[in-house]
Amino acid sequence: DIQMTQSPSVLSASVGDRVTLNCKASQNINKYLNWYQQKLGEAPKLLIYNTNNLQTGIPSRFSGSGSGTDYTLTISSLQPEDVATYFCFQHNSWPTFGSGTKLEIK
Amino acid sequence: EVKLVESGGGLVQPGRSLKLSCAASGFSFNDYWMGWVRQAPGKGLEWIGEINQDSSTINYTPSLKDKFTISRDNAQNTLYLQMSKLGSEDTAIYYCARIGVTPMDAWGQGASVTVSS
Repeated sequence: DIQMTQSPSVLSASVGDRVTLNCKASQNINKYLNWYQQKLGEAPKLLIYNTNNLQTGIPSRFSGSGSGTDYTLTISSLQPEDVATYFCFQHNSWPTFGSGTKLEIK
Repeated sequence: EVKLVESGGGLVQPGRSLKLSCAASGFSFNDYWMGWVRQAPGKGLEWIGEINQDSSTINYTPSLKDKFTISRDNAQNTLYLQMSKLGSEDTAIYYCARIGVTPMDAWGQGASVTVSS
């Protein structure tokens, strides 16, 4: 199985900050990398698919990049409603998730 | 509006079975692969498996293949997850998800399963 490692596990930032979340795969996943947002008590929600495609209805402050084994989710200007846990997910081969980054407001 | 609603969760004794349902609406159910994901308390997400449109292809996470069975009824727009020989490690929230242009472009709200005596 491909292992997905997210960093940091917890990130604290201020409203308006540019925030970067990282995801590293144990092997090349050919950009088949999605990002999901999960707010407390809710189901996950798709934000970004295939590295850099913004899902319909998701604010443009969210963006994704990367290739090979290294991927990034960026929030250009952190908003209070962005408090959540963010999971990366690869579907290049049998699907696996990262362990998540918990994003908090300072 | 795409809607997925899981049901059938609850408290079950170790070693028993349970069947979850996922009712789909707002899209053409029989055009999509569907999948199941679970999340143990305080833990991350685990892909359980997937089923194609006509049930001719069903894939499972190897460690769960002998315990879980995914099926669907396109006439009823419903996805199922049959779980057997349940243990405490199966305590989780179980989500059904649509596999569209990308996996899990829509999720249900989840069904809680607690395995305990």
